[in-house]
Formats: sequence, structure tokens, C-alpha cells
Amino acid sequence: EIVLTQSPDFQSVTPKEKVTITCRASQSIGSSLHWYQQKPDQSPKLLIKYASQSISGVPSRFSGSGSGTDFTLTINSLEAEDAAAYYCHQSSSLPTTFGQGTKVEIK
Amino acid sequence: QVQLQESGPGLVKPSQTLSLTCTVSGGSISSGSYYWSWIRQPAGKGLEWIGRIYTSGSTNYNPSLKSRVTISVDTSKNQFSLKLSSVTAADTAVYYCARQGGYSYGFTFDYWGQGTLVTVSS
Repeated sequence: EIVLTQSPDFQSVTPKEKVTITCRASQSIGSSLHWYQQKPDQSPKLLIKYASQSISGVPSRFSGSGSGTDFTLTINSLEAEDAAAYYCHQSSSLPTTFGQGTKVEIK
Repeated sequence: QVQLQESGPGLVKPSQTLSLTCTVSGGSISSGSYYWSWIRQPAGKGLEWIGRIYTSGSTNYNPSLKSRVTISVDTSKNQFSLKLSSVTAADTAVYYCARQGGYSYGFTFDYWGQGTLVTVSS
């Protein structure tokens, strides 16, 4: 099973700041890494697929990068509505797995 | 617009079988190259993939749960279902059903149900 480790677990950020969340895979997964946003009491929402590909309807301040074992989700100019938990997800091999999540709080 | 809705008992006794159904609307469950998955999330914790069924009926399960899980599909009702046997308190979680796209979609989960809380308690 591929283990995904996110850092940090928690981040408190002021609006308009830049947020960077990293996800490290226990073995190489190419670009089969995706990012989701989960707001309180909501289902996860797909933000980025294949490490860096944008999703229709997702604000352009969300971007992703990386390949192999190290990946990054960047939120440029954080907005209050971005308060949420963020999860990375690998689809390189079964069982498909998720990172433990990073909670982003707005100061 | 595809929509998914979970249904089933919110309380299950220890050692019994948890049974949930996901009803898909806005599209046929048997059209397109999609997998239909179950994912769970204990309170305050992360996401755990339980398993999936393909439109052909083939299944894949998480090895950590494989011995207790059965996922099936009823195309006539546009539904797929989860059965998890011999439950314990550790199976208490919000259970989501979700659609997973094929290769061109990165095998991402693009549509999710709202989730249903299942508590295991006597």
C-alpha cells in the first residue's frame, strides 16, 4: 500500500497569504496524485488532478506541482472561503489511498 | 448533473452487518467507464477507501477490509450497495459513495454523495 504523508497537519493563515501544502508518497507514483478540498460537514471536492491539471470551476488561485514522490498544493492569495481540510489522493495503484489531511484555518 | 445519495440505517449493533445503498441520478450507472466507490471517514479523521465496482460488475476491495466487504450493483434501480459484516465500534464513520472516473479522469473521485453517519453501538 502506498502511504501518503502530508505536511503540515495544520496551518493558520491570514487572508491574502500564500499557502503551501506538501504530500510525499512512500514510493514513486508518477503524476497520479490528486487534491481535494473538504469544508466542514461537506463532501470532498476535487481541486487538481494528475498533480497539476486544473479542474473546471475551481478558482485559479489553486495550483499543483510535482511528480514521483513529492507534490505540492499551492493556494495563492488565500480567501476566507478556503478554510477547509485538504487531502492528497493517489491512484497509481490499489488500494487507492489518501493523505491524512491538512487543515487550513483563517486567522 | 450526476447526483449520488446514500441511504441506510444510522445505527448498527456490534457484530452485525452494515448495509448501505447509493442511488445515482442524472445519469445511468451502467454507461461510461466509471467505477462506483465507497469511502469512509471517522469523525475528525481522514478518508479511507473501502472498495469499488465497475460498470461490468467487477469489484476491487481494500485489503484491510476485504474479508468483510461486499459491493454490488443493481442497474435496474441505478443503485450500488455496500455490506460490511462483523462491525465493531471502529467502523463508526461517515460513509460516502462516490463516482471514480477512468484513466482520462485520472481515476479521480468527481462526484460524491453527501455522506451518511453510521454508528456502531449496542
